[in-house]
This record gives sequence, structure tokens and C-alpha cells, in this order.
Amino acid sequence: EAQVTQNPRYLITVTGKKLTVTCSQNMNHEYMSWYRQDPGLGLRQIYYSMNVEVTDKGDVPEGYKVSRKEKRNFPLILESPSPNQTSLYFCASSPLDRNSNQPQHFGDGTRLSIL
Amino acid sequence: GQSLEQPSEVTAVEGAIVQINCTYQTSGFYGLSWYQQHDGGAPTFLSYNGLDGLEETGRFSSFLSRSDSYGYLLLQELQMKDSASYFCAVRSDQTGANNLFFGTGTRLTVIP
Repeated sequence: EAQVTQNPRYLITVTGKKLTVTCSQNMNHEYMSWYRQDPGLGLRQIYYSMNVEVTDKGDVPEGYKVSRKEKRNFPLILESPSPNQTSLYFCASSPLDRNSNQPQHFGDGTRLSIL
Repeated sequence: GQSLEQPSEVTAVEGAIVQINCTYQTSGFYGLSWYQQHDGGAPTFLSYNGLDGLEETGRFSSFLSRSDSYGYLLLQELQMKDSASYFCAVRSDQTGANNLFFGTGTRLTVIP
């Protein structure tokens, strides 16, 4: 089954304790992206990747890191989490095609609470 | 910068038709997408308009007017399961490549 898998689904942690949210897709998609979703603010892009070893900042990258060492994986790293990073996070992937719409496929989300 | 505006909430009766509007401001516009998200769920793709006009997929249709920087999602024969949030999203030179810039979403409540 084609899917984007995020782990963990839920995490409660404390300020300053490094954490990683993993994202893996089995559709051989070049493009992957991380979003955070907060009430009233919709989905805001954190980082994206066009292919292996190619990453770039989205609209709200502060406090986050990513890596893309393999095509299928795109982990989101919070080196020193703070309470304002409490949010619902989504990973998404799609084929890379500038000339037509490629729908993004989303993971089920990771709800992070930073105390 | 870029911006998207859509109503925050809409309520409609089961079996009726509802239209969710979206106006956008961006440069180098490619197209407008619509995503549905049920409470606690992931966003799922509904439709895309790259050219002016209406795209129909079953009970859902989406419309785009590039000259007016405006689009809408039309849901017909509403069902209770259509209660969800609906997001419009633009692709443009400003977003770059496959990136999407999402609106803040419209929460649709379908009542009996």
C-alpha cells in the first residue's frame, strides 16, 4: 500500500531535549516536505526536499533541521525543542513535476507537546 | 508576499449544495488545489485547477478564474461525512517547484 509513515504519532517531552520525528514514503517520490499545523493558521511549511541531499527552508524553519540521505526518508529534527514548537506536524511527499499538478500525499501526523 | 483568503466556517444542511470560496494573491501563479481534512486526520487531495473553468469529480467540483485570482470548491448532495476542514492551496513561482502555500482552512459543518 502506498503510504507516508510518520513516527511517533504522539510525543510529550520537555524543553531542550533533542527529538527526531521520522518520515518514510514507499512511493519513490522525489519531493518531500514538512508542515506544522496550528489552530487558525492552517498548514505552514517548515522545510522541503526536492531530492536526496537537496533541502531548503520553507516559511517557518527556525528551530528545525532536516536531512535527506535516502530518497524514502526525511526526518525532522528539533535540536532544542521549546514550548512554541508544540504543534501537529505532517510529512508529505509527491513526484517532482513542474509542469503539472502532483498531489501531495500526507502522513497521519505527529502531535508534539513540549513542556 | 502571498496570501490566501477563505471563510473560516460554513454550515450547510445535508443534501444541499455549498460553495467554499478562495481568493489568492501571489506572483507566477501555476494552479489552485483543494484538500480535505477530517478531524484528527491527514489532509487528502480533492482537486486541482491549472486553467480557468470547472473541474468535476463526482459530487465535488472546483472552479478557477485566473483573471479574478479566485476559485471555489462546490460540494453537492452534502452528506454528514463531508463535515471536515477544506483548504485551498496555491502553487506559484513564489512557492517554487512542488511547494504549496495553504490557506487557513474552512471548517464545514453539515447538519441534518
